[in-house]
Amino acid sequence: DAGVIQSPRHEVTEMGQEVTLRCKPISGHDYLFWYRQTMMRGLELLIYFNNNVPIDDSGMPEDRFSAKMPNASFSTLKIQPSEPRDSAVYFCASGLSGGAVDTQYFGPGTRLTVL
Amino acid sequence: KNEVEQSPQNLTAQEGEFITINCSYSVGISALHWLQQHPGGGIVSLFMLSSGKKKHGRLIATINIQEKHSSLHITASHPRDSAVYICAVLMNRDDKIIFGKGTRLHILP
Repeated sequence: DAGVIQSPRHEVTEMGQEVTLRCKPISGHDYLFWYRQTMMRGLELLIYFNNNVPIDDSGMPEDRFSAKMPNASFSTLKIQPSEPRDSAVYFCASGLSGGAVDTQYFGPGTRLTVL
Repeated sequence: KNEVEQSPQNLTAQEGEFITINCSYSVGISALHWLQQHPGGGIVSLFMLSSGKKKHGRLIATINIQEKHSSLHITASHPRDSAVYICAVLMNRDDKIIFGKGTRLHILP
């Protein structure tokens, strides 16, 4: 298996633009997580899905952020409109049933820079 | 006060030394997770613990639920162990995940 796939790996955009980050989890995994990492706040959980259903989105910073999982093999995290403070590395991870912190497999991350 | 505290924040040691990284938490948890983030940014899941001890190669993780404390040990440390080690807990009251700030480990050859 190729592991968790994220795209793009790097994104530079201007303030106000819409940004869409994509994630393909490992086949057969039923949990999918979106994380954000910044120097100031460290690693934060934004939202996670189980069987394509959002379970906890309390980490989503504000209404500008939305996440979808239309099927078991694809998820998006969208920021509209983007702001400079959204600059961070966004990680997607997938895992199997057994608990929300059971072994997770992380993607390589998307480094987002909002100018 | 953060609900998950890691110590030390930074650690530099010589190759071969025994390394201990600590994680203390103040909330009730159902599980604790140790993650390793390499200098290139990639994150690897090391252990998930709910009690006792786990070992994988040169890595050992322990947890004491009563004392709300976990340790990650590295035996015979090697420069390739240089990374940030992050502790994460799953809170049992609402299933939220809280992360420590991480411990930056640098092993000198």
